[in-house]
Amino acid sequence: KAGVTQTPRYLIKTRGQQVTLSCSPISGHRSVSWYQQTPGQGLQFLFEYFSETQRNKGNFPGRFSGRQFSNSRSEMNVSTLELGDSALYLCASSWVQSSGANVLTFGAGSRLTVL
Amino acid sequence: SQQGEEDPQALSIQEGENATMNCSYKTSINNLQWYRQNSGRGLVHLILIRSNEREKHSGRLRVTLDTSKKSSSLLITASRAADTASYFCATVSGTYKYIFGTGTRLKVLA
Repeated sequence: KAGVTQTPRYLIKTRGQQVTLSCSPISGHRSVSWYQQTPGQGLQFLFEYFSETQRNKGNFPGRFSGRQFSNSRSEMNVSTLELGDSALYLCASSWVQSSGANVLTFGAGSRLTVL
Repeated sequence: SQQGEEDPQALSIQEGENATMNCSYKTSINNLQWYRQNSGRGLVHLILIRSNEREKHSGRLRVTLDTSKKSSSLLITASRAADTASYFCATVSGTYKYIFGTGTRLKVLA
């Protein structure tokens, strides 16, 4: 079974630009979530999608947005980039069990550097 | 901050020794999970313990949960150099709400 695939793995942008990151979950996983990881703030939850609907959202400004497609693939977009957006962006998919317990499977991440 | 706190922040031990890391959290939970992250990579799930469980084992891993103290610990026995990584606890509550701890950086010296 293929793992969670994130593209691109590395990218460099300048302030004011926008960026789109892509995530392909494990086949059959319908929930996809995004996290931002920085040395200072640790792992911060961005949002979670299930069956193309945003089910949960973290405490990030509106510049951060996402969507999920019918095949469960997800994208996140950051507009008007700021230096502080430099981070490792992690995508995770999970199988939602009826008991409510599920486990996250992470991709390798997209490392964004904003200059 | 809603984040859980992990203790210690960093730990350095010799190969063969046991490593213990602790996690404290603030809210009621459905379950608590531990993840490992190798430098700059994605996290890998290690073990899950439900709120009604007190102890769980998986290979060289032993996790305990004390919901009255809102704390958990992860014990790695007979550490190997390959165990060098950052370890995160994650509490899960509600429909889908993961809160990750600040992480413990473990270094196992050969």
